[in-house]
Amino acid sequence: AQSVAQPEDQVNVAEGNPLTVKCTYSVSGNPYLFWYVQYPNRGLQFLLKYITGDNLVKGSYGFEAEFNKSQTSFHLKKPSALVSDSALYFCAGDLGGSQGNLIFGKGTKLSVKP
Amino acid sequence: EPEVTQTPSHQVTQMGQEVILRCVPISNHLYFYWYRQILGQKVEFLVSFYNNEISEKSEIFDDQFSVERPDGSNFTLKIRSTKLEDSAMYFCASTRDQIYEQYFGPGTRLTVT
Repeated sequence: AQSVAQPEDQVNVAEGNPLTVKCTYSVSGNPYLFWYVQYPNRGLQFLLKYITGDNLVKGSYGFEAEFNKSQTSFHLKKPSALVSDSALYFCAGDLGGSQGNLIFGKGTKLSVKP
Repeated sequence: EPEVTQTPSHQVTQMGQEVILRCVPISNHLYFYWYRQILGQKVEFLVSFYNNEISEKSEIFDDQFSVERPDGSNFTLKIRSTKLEDSAMYFCASTRDQIYEQYFGPGTRLTVT
């Protein structure tokens, strides 16, 4: 079955340190992959996407992600974390390139401490 | 910047009642979606809608659910007879094209008592 996995429930980082939020996927074809962020009591905000082309994609708020086909991963990264980055992060994929119905990972809570 | 809006923000209803959740997608978008997020769980796809018909639906989207685009702007999700397990945050999303990112509304929190 096609799926998106986020192996970490929570990631703790000190402000100013680099952060990584992990995501792996399972699909037979070429996926479209996305990262969204959810702040408390808010909807999902788009961060970045991979459709095709350059494996390193850059998005909003200084975030980037690297598509790795051999490892079937799409980890979210930021060189220097901010306290305001603390939120719930969701990896999602349109794993069949179909009508755009996204399959979401369970979410990873990022906590950045001063 | 245009955004997806949803009303109401919170709906409380009794089991067995019908509810209609409303969404106004971004005006030039063509693809529309409903997702739900049960408290503490992952976001789940319910249904996609394009060209005035359902494109795809998940196993969750049974006969109790229906969607409609009654006019040029609104996109609604109806639950005919709510159950306790329908309690969740319901998100509407829209996009210009399926390869573009989906824009999500702020959600409607449905509480079934």
